Amino acid sequence: AQSVTQLDSHVSVSEGTPVLLRCNYSSSYSPSLFWYVQHPNKGLQLLLKYTSAATLVKGINGFEAEFKKSETSFHLTKPSAHMSDAAEYFCVVSEYYGGSYIPTFGRGTSLIVHP
Amino acid sequence: DGGITQSPKYLFRKEGQNVTLSCEQNLNHDAMYWYRQDPGQGLRLIYYSQIVNDFQKGDIAEGYSVSREKKESFPLTVTSAQKNPTAFYLCASSGTSKETQYFGPGTRLLVL
Repeated sequence: AQSVTQLDSHVSVSEGTPVLLRCNYSSSYSPSLFWYVQHPNKGLQLLLKYTSAATLVKGINGFEAEFKKSETSFHLTKPSAHMSDAAEYFCVVSEYYGGSYIPTFGRGTSLIVHP
Repeated sequence: DGGITQSPKYLFRKEGQNVTLSCEQNLNHDAMYWYRQDPGQGLRLIYYSQIVNDFQKGDIAEGYSVSREKKESFPLTVTSAQKNPTAFYLCASSGTSKETQYFGPGTRLLVL
């Protein structure tokens, strides 16, 4: 069985400072891992994904994440926060099971960016 | 433009009423999914379909029904058996990169 834990429900940063959103996962097999962003009352947008290639994954809008198998982590980072980064972020693990990819979503981390 | 559309944006349900949420995609994706989103709980899978005329229950299928008569369309019906339907509903699809999902803009369902 797979699971995802987003370690912080809220993260607050000042504009121009680094962002760290933490995600730990549990998976029986080699998982695919994703980060999605959701702005208020909108759908989810894919930020980046890991699918067993390079462990450091670069995404859109300057975000990146590092897959660390030994720590079962997939933390999302950005060197410098922008006001437009304020949103809800979801970490997702997906396993291939019974002919389908079935994702499991974390509960989300709300990123607050102060001017 | 290719993408996923959901309608309506807001939907109101009266007691004992069935309502249907629309999801259409023009991405030529085989797989489609329905999720329910509640505050602080992330997304929970209601139903998914890997191919036309076939679908499977997700984690919270009770009180919901779906159909997949066309590749482009995957409507979700919220039945009167769903006692707590107020939520944000998201539809997604995936194609050749099967593990990656693309999401529609969502429908917010409210109970009168």
